[in-house]
Amino acid sequence: KQEVTQIPAALSVPEGENLVLNCSFTDSAIYNLQWFRQDPGKGLTSLLLIQSSQREQTSGRLNASLDKSSGRSTLYIAASQPGDSATYLCAAYSGNTPLVFGKGTRLSVIA
Amino acid sequence: EPEVTQTPSHQVTQMGQEVILRCVPISNHLYFYWYRQILGQKVEFLVSFYNNEISEKSEIFDDQFSVERPDGSNFTLKIRSTKLEDSAMYFCASKPQGPGNTIYFGEGSWLTVV
Repeated sequence: KQEVTQIPAALSVPEGENLVLNCSFTDSAIYNLQWFRQDPGKGLTSLLLIQSSQREQTSGRLNASLDKSSGRSTLYIAASQPGDSATYLCAAYSGNTPLVFGKGTRLSVIA
Repeated sequence: EPEVTQTPSHQVTQMGQEVILRCVPISNHLYFYWYRQILGQKVEFLVSFYNNEISEKSEIFDDQFSVERPDGSNFTLKIRSTKLEDSAMYFCASKPQGPGNTIYFGEGSWLTVV
C-alpha cells in the first residue's frame, strides 16, 4: 500500500530565500507524481506533474524532481515571495489507482 | 482554462439528513473522482468512476455513499444519512484518458454536519 510522507510539516522563511520541500513514497512503482498547492479553505491547484520517465519538471520559479529508486521527490521554490505562502501537497499516482496524498508542508514566507 | 466546478461551496446539514454534492468535470475527461479532507488531515480517496461505473472505492465509501453521473455532464456524491464525522471538505476531480495525465481538482464543497 502506497504511503506518502512530507517533511517538514511546516516551514517559515524570509522573502527571497530559496527553499526545498521534500516528499517520500514507499512504493516506487508509480506512474507519476503530482505537486499541488492548497490555500486555506480552498481547493487543490496542480503545480507540476512528473511522469515516471522524467527526472524533473519546471514551471516558473518552481522545479520538481523525481527519484523513483530512492522513493523521493523534491519541490524547489526559487526566490520565495509572500504570495507563495500555502500548503504544498505531493501525491503519488500508480496507473489508474487513486492518488495517494501526503499530509503537506505548510509554508509561510515572511516579508 | 477548463476547470472542475463544484456546488455548493458550503453546506450545513443536520445529522441524519441526506446530502448531494454536485460536480461538473472537465468536458473531455473520462475519469472522475471524489476525495475528502477532514480538517487538519490528509486528502483521502473515496471513489473513482469510469465508463459509467465505480472503478475503485475506499473503505470510507460505505453503503451510505453513492455516486451518479445522471446526465453526461454532472457527477454527484450522495450521502444518505449524514453523521458528524462526515464533516469535511469534499473534492471532485477529473482526468483524461491515460496514466500520464494531470488530475484536476475542483474548489471543494465544505460539508458541516451538526
